[in-house]
Amino acid sequence: GAVVSQHPSRVICKSGTSVKIECRSLDFQATTMFWYRQFPKKSLMLMATSNEGSKATYEQGVEKDKFLINHASLTLSTLTVTSAHPEDSSFYICSASDPGLATDTQYFGPGTRLTVL
Amino acid sequence: EDKVVQSPLSLVVHEGDTVTLNCSYEVTNFRSLLWYKQEKKAPTFLFMLTSSGIEKKSGRLSSILDKKELFSILNITATQTGDSAIYLCAFCGGSNYKLTFGKGTLLTVNP
Repeated sequence: GAVVSQHPSRVICKSGTSVKIECRSLDFQATTMFWYRQFPKKSLMLMATSNEGSKATYEQGVEKDKFLINHASLTLSTLTVTSAHPEDSSFYICSASDPGLATDTQYFGPGTRLTVL
Repeated sequence: EDKVVQSPLSLVVHEGDTVTLNCSYEVTNFRSLLWYKQEKKAPTFLFMLTSSGIEKKSGRLSSILDKKELFSILNITATQTGDSAIYLCAFCGGSNYKLTFGKGTLLTVNP
């Protein structure tokens, strides 16, 4: 149980294009999903908290117009990196909590490696 | 400001050794402390600790929380090369259940 998938696993795009990353909870309903960013040899940095049916809550310093988050259903949240630039290249990871198990435990997707040329 | 400090930042041992990883925290609204293992991809869940002094165990891994001294340890006995990974400690606090991660401990187990 508590499986989270992400798609795509790897994406390479040109500067100026937009990239959408999907995060799905496969065997549970996730009212809350989280989006993280991780640079090489660094820890996970929370970007935003995505709540089903409402606006995402962004962490300080994260541009909400740059990183668009949509949580349209209880099993799907999307992160769109708009007008991507090379400095947006990173490892993006989503996680979800299963209220039916233990609310504090987050289960992570396999991550998406974004490279912006 | 809430923070999580892990030590050591990196550790190299030989197979069969026992290791202890440390995590200390300063938080204003503590709910729980979690340990994750991260290999090449995203972190996988190991333990969630909410109560002091109660050891959680899974195979060769165990963890305990001390809420008075504000720290947790993760023990790995009889280490194997497959234990090589980054071990992340995170606390969960606040009403939105967000996690704040430490920088991690890079464990390398040599044959």
